[in-house]
Amino acid sequence: QKEVEQNSGPLSVPEGAIASLNCTYSDRVSQSFFWYRQYSGKSPELIMSIYSNGDKEDGRFTAQLNKASQYVSLLIRDSQPSDSATYLCAVDEGGYQKVTFGTGTKLQVIP
Amino acid sequence: EAGVAQSPRYKIIEKRQSVAFWCNPISGHATLYWYQQILGQGPKLLIQFQNNGVVDDSQLPKDRFSAERLKGVDSTLKIQPAKLEDSAVYLCASSLDDRGETQYFGPGTRLLVL
Repeated sequence: QKEVEQNSGPLSVPEGAIASLNCTYSDRVSQSFFWYRQYSGKSPELIMSIYSNGDKEDGRFTAQLNKASQYVSLLIRDSQPSDSATYLCAVDEGGYQKVTFGTGTKLQVIP
Repeated sequence: EAGVAQSPRYKIIEKRQSVAFWCNPISGHATLYWYQQILGQGPKLLIQFQNNGVVDDSQLPKDRFSAERLKGVDSTLKIQPAKLEDSAVYLCASSLDDRGETQYFGPGTRLLVL
């Protein structure tokens, strides 16, 4: 059974700080990695995808991937109260895009 | 561009009753997914369609759940008979194809089984 592990939180950070969200996965053949944001009572929406080792930046968001360590992270710079949500890590083993989601980390940004 | 449509948005039924959910994916999206999300957990894939063929239904409780995607467009998910533990949000998502593309989620159907 492929697993995607996340700390459920809540992770509390003050407004303006950097929030660091972490995810580990068990399947070494995984090829695509996604971070989805889910506000309470809403559906997940994609915020970042990453496919190769290293960092990928998009605005205040940076995704980091280390396939050797089977680890992917999401950094949110200058955290805002509107970033308060659950962040879901999703891993795709490739081929027929069999995506496995983690349980999510709840982020709280304190004004 | 219209998003993924789902109906109904909410459903309350008693255990042992039947229920059906409908999903219309984004136009042109070949891949359609049904997920079950229990409160406090991540989405769990129930079934994945590529056009009108099933790619993965390994986590679908086939004794009570069924799904179809006739004509490769919209899809229905049925539960018969429902159990208390089926209370969850049922999310439909679609993607352009099966090659690591972004999944776009519908608003979900919130099911409560009493």
